[in-house]
Amino acid sequence: QVKLLQSGAELVKPGASVKLSCKTSGFTFSTSYMSWLKQVPGPSIEWIGWIYAGDGGTNYNQKFKGKATLTVDKSSSTAYMDLSSLTSEDAAVYFCARGVTTFDYWGQGVMVTVSS
Amino acid sequence: DIQMTQTPSSMPASLGERVTISCRASQGISNYLNWYQQKPDGTIKPLIYYTSNLQSGVPSRFSGSGSGTDYSLTISSLEPEDFAMYYCQQYDSSPPWTFGGGTKLELK
Repeated sequence: QVKLLQSGAELVKPGASVKLSCKTSGFTFSTSYMSWLKQVPGPSIEWIGWIYAGDGGTNYNQKFKGKATLTVDKSSSTAYMDLSSLTSEDAAVYFCARGVTTFDYWGQGVMVTVSS
Repeated sequence: DIQMTQTPSSMPASLGERVTISCRASQGISNYLNWYQQKPDGTIKPLIYYTSNLQSGVPSRFSGSGSGTDYSLTISSLEPEDFAMYYCQQYDSSPPWTFGGGTKLELK
């Protein structure tokens, strides 16, 4: 069955970067689109962007350009998201999900805490 | 960006009750509207895509409807596992895709 397993919770210092992972199984990763989303208390969900695992092509929400960088490793069927220059505004739960417009499978989410 | 307004933000309801959650877009979205359920443990599951199509495995008590700017999710008879958060999401024309603020369905 389809699984998206995200890495564990992160505690990072302001100004630092963090790389989140999303290891997939149960489907053909190399021809799939993977998206990343951000959830903050409120509650509110924001779409960050998607990446096509086949060629690494990406599409970002303008709001997250320069903040998030999406990559994939086809050999391990894993999607990654780098978040840079972290501030308190970046503290959230981040999800990976399969799909580009409709997200049919989601990871369990990973909490990122930004604190010195 | 297209703004999605969900109402109500919270809804107390009883087992067996019929409930409807509304979602209004700031402009017409041509039925490009999905619904998701988030359980208290944080897991998110898709329910409905393109306004009214049930995702595989979703019980038939869930249904979606709407057009233009106004959409709704209806649960015909609440089961214990339906008490959760619900979100609408639009994907009309070009990104960014946007979500509603969520509706918390609570046991009355």
